[in-house]
Amino acid sequence: QQPVQSPQAVILREGEDAVINCSSSKALYSVHWYRQKHGEAPVFLMILLKGGEQKGHEKISASFNEKKQQSSLYLTASQLSYSGTYFCGTGYHGANNLFFGTGTRLTVIP
Amino acid sequence: NAGVTQTPKFRVLKTGQSMTLLCAQDMNHEYMYWYRQDPGMGLRLIHYSVGEGTTAKGEVPDGYNVSRLKKQNFLLGLESAAPSQTSVYFCASSYGSGYSQPQHFGDGTRLSIL
Repeated sequence: QQPVQSPQAVILREGEDAVINCSSSKALYSVHWYRQKHGEAPVFLMILLKGGEQKGHEKISASFNEKKQQSSLYLTASQLSYSGTYFCGTGYHGANNLFFGTGTRLTVIP
Repeated sequence: NAGVTQTPKFRVLKTGQSMTLLCAQDMNHEYMYWYRQDPGMGLRLIHYSVGEGTTAKGEVPDGYNVSRLKKQNFLLGLESAAPSQTSVYFCASSYGSGYSQPQHFGDGTRLSIL
């Protein structure tokens, strides 16, 4: 049930955009996105529940495609502070926990 | 507001030794989780609890035990440590079920087994 994230790593220059994808082989109820900086704890970014909604958080937004069983995280006009590893966590109906992907390492350079 | 606090932050053990990791949260959350994080593996759930006095197995429970005697505390025990248990351990909590509520993470415990 572990979701598949792509790409595994990406390097951006400040101001560029990026998309991180998260796919599940099973019907999704929810998708969570977290960011973890090196040596720190994962920090919650946003949660998307079944219904195909799109959410935004400043220049970071995400979509949830229920039919395709996938979610995408959009980072617009990237800043140095966006560097870190992004994890998606997938939730399934009836389960009390999340299954996390292996992460996407994002590096933003000046 | 401390959030989720893990102790200790670092520990080195010898193979066969036992230890307990403590997680405490002050947000009155019902759900608590223990994860391990290894390079390239993401976060894998060891055990979790849906309320005081309850525990359940996650994806990788072998070699670990847990207890939730008080709502605010969730303990993770290693009875006989093995080198394969060298990892970073994260505790998390959520107000409601983990699939619909955000999880709040502690700063982690870095554990090395020699």
